[in-house]
Amino acid sequence: DTEVTQTPKHLVMGMTNKKSLKCEQHMGHRAMYWYKQKAKKPPELMFVYSYEKLSINESVPSRFSPECPNSSLLNLHLHALQPEDSALYLCASSLRGHIQYFGAGTRLSVL
Amino acid sequence: DQQVKQNSPSLSVQEGRISILNCDYTNSMFDYFLWYKKYPAEGPTFLISISSIKDKNEDGRFTVFLNKSAKHLSLHIVPSQPGDSAVYFCAATVIIQGAQKLVFGQGTRLTINP
Repeated sequence: DTEVTQTPKHLVMGMTNKKSLKCEQHMGHRAMYWYKQKAKKPPELMFVYSYEKLSINESVPSRFSPECPNSSLLNLHLHALQPEDSALYLCASSLRGHIQYFGAGTRLSVL
Repeated sequence: DQQVKQNSPSLSVQEGRISILNCDYTNSMFDYFLWYKKYPAEGPTFLISISSIKDKNEDGRFTVFLNKSAKHLSLHIVPSQPGDSAVYFCAATVIIQGAQKLVFGQGTRLTINP
């Protein structure tokens, strides 16, 4: 089982809204990741959590706020986003090795 | 600074023939290379990987070759099937601040024609 579950699948929000993206895995993986993917572009790393601690923040604007409440759950809190933040947001997890397993993503539209 | 490059945006191959997807990289510190397959509206699916100390890894119809001196890797799919039509991403891992970072190429859209 290599399932990473992301909710919601689609999200439309205004620039003044606050919303959250959720990611869950029950594979015992201790590293979890957020990526952003724009159309016709590769996924770009945003954040890495290792053992529930933030290890990497790729200079992401503060309107994106990650949270790792426990080893199975990863959230991405969104506030005051801009239309250019519209993208596919992907979550991934990995055990100790080099293979990251991705969820299906949340398609976000900011109006 | 694009450290992983896939120079062919698209590739069209006849069903049953070999598909060869190519990838170049610049960072000698990468320790693993991976290929992911992506369908529209889905996340990337892991296909196959290779350690930087190996030169070949095979898994069923998929074989990855690594040429470290040329900083080049390729994915061979034999025989190609219609279900292989997708975008293929080459990726490489590097350890930063004790955590693993995955760097992706731009992707190659593979179309398998019947």
